[in-house]
Amino acid sequence: GENVEQHPSTLSVQEGDSAVIKCTYSDSASNYFPWYKQELGKRPQLIIDIRSNVGEKKDQRIAVTLNKTAKHFSLHITETQPEDSAVYFCAARYRNTDKLIFGTGTRLQVFP
Amino acid sequence: EAQVTQNPRYLITVTGKKLTVTCSQNMNHEYMSWYRQDPGLGLRQIYYSMNVEVTDKGDVPEGYKVSRKEKRNFPLILESPSPNQTSLYFCASSLKGTAYGYTFGSGTRLTVV
Repeated sequence: GENVEQHPSTLSVQEGDSAVIKCTYSDSASNYFPWYKQELGKRPQLIIDIRSNVGEKKDQRIAVTLNKTAKHFSLHITETQPEDSAVYFCAARYRNTDKLIFGTGTRLQVFP
Repeated sequence: EAQVTQNPRYLITVTGKKLTVTCSQNMNHEYMSWYRQDPGLGLRQIYYSMNVEVTDKGDVPEGYKVSRKEKRNFPLILESPSPNQTSLYFCASSLKGTAYGYTFGSGTRLTVV
């Protein structure tokens, strides 16, 4: 069925370290993979996305990688800062149904 | 300012009392959707609409209704709310389908007692 698994559910890092969040999807036809950041009490906001014809995309300190063969994609945050503390959601677009399926979220805490 | 506006932000109601959560977007987006967010379960789609008068069920539609009479508005209706519908609700919109990412509303925290 339509499913996105996300790991880990919580992640604690020291300021300046890197953080990696991984997601796996089930439909090989999926073609769009956005990442959302949700700060406490706020709405999810799109921070980066990648399409299936690209293997990696970077935007300053964040990057996303996609491995279509293995059906997994990852969010990489380098030089983490306290303001990176939030819940991060991955999602995969299931092309046949045009549905965006979300992972269960990762709570990232960056300690000063 | 381009935005998705949800109202109310907070709502406490009693079991069985009909309620409507409104959602409006000013970006001329065709696609609109409702999600509920529960701890450990992420964001689950309730209903979506690909355009005016076109709506379909998401993954958890039981107990909810929607309508899309105008492009900008997509209200969520709970005809007879129950405590298991206590949740954080988000409306989201996208230009066309889901391949362009969502803009989310600010959320509605609903408590049914």
